[in-house]
Amino acid sequence: QVQLQESGPGLVKPSETLSLTCTVSGGSISSYYWSWIRQPPGKGLEWIAYIFYTGKTKYSPSLKSRVTISVDTSKNQFALKLSSVTAADTAIYYCASGGTYHEYWGQGTLVTVSS
Amino acid sequence: QSVLTQPPSASGTPGQRVTVSCSGSNSSIGINYVYWYQQLPGTAPKLLIYRNNQRPSGVPDRFSGSKSGTSASLAISGLRSEDEATYYCATWDDSLSDEEVFGGGTRVTVL
Repeated sequence: QVQLQESGPGLVKPSETLSLTCTVSGGSISSYYWSWIRQPPGKGLEWIAYIFYTGKTKYSPSLKSRVTISVDTSKNQFALKLSSVTAADTAIYYCASGGTYHEYWGQGTLVTVSS
Repeated sequence: QSVLTQPPSASGTPGQRVTVSCSGSNSSIGINYVYWYQQLPGTAPKLLIYRNNQRPSGVPDRFSGSKSGTSASLAISGLRSEDEATYYCATWDDSLSDEEVFGGGTRVTVL
């Protein structure tokens, strides 16, 4: 059973960069595409980006200019960086398996953007 | 404003059948598979239906999905209290945006 766990700061200051890591266990990161999805408090889901272990990426057009997704196969991890954050980026951030649909999800981590 | 349109709420009594609709476009649902996720309060979403009408292992057959043209539906038969959750449809949009898109979510209440 594949398990995912997000980690990273829960509080980020406006204009700074949000950085999160997702650790995959119970399976190889070289077996799937991997995605980041976020959910503002009380709102719906928003896809951010996906990556394949080879480094192939795709980004949401609305976030593309600020987002970088990367993978570290030696650590079975993939990561998200979102630059120039504002309060609108406050959300629960989920990492998930798959590029077009998501069978496995992390529990999510709340990131608050505030000074 | 979500690319996929869902009603904000639906409800039913235990044992009833409830359906949740999801409306898209020619570039989204019209040419791509539809997926459904169940999100219980305070938890991560769970894959409920993939490729329009397939259930992952462990998902009860009370849940079924269908697609016709640019719309899709999720049906829950024999509604149970534990089905009270928010349900999201999702697909890929092959328009200029070329991204995964979600519906706004439908909150299902068991009366």
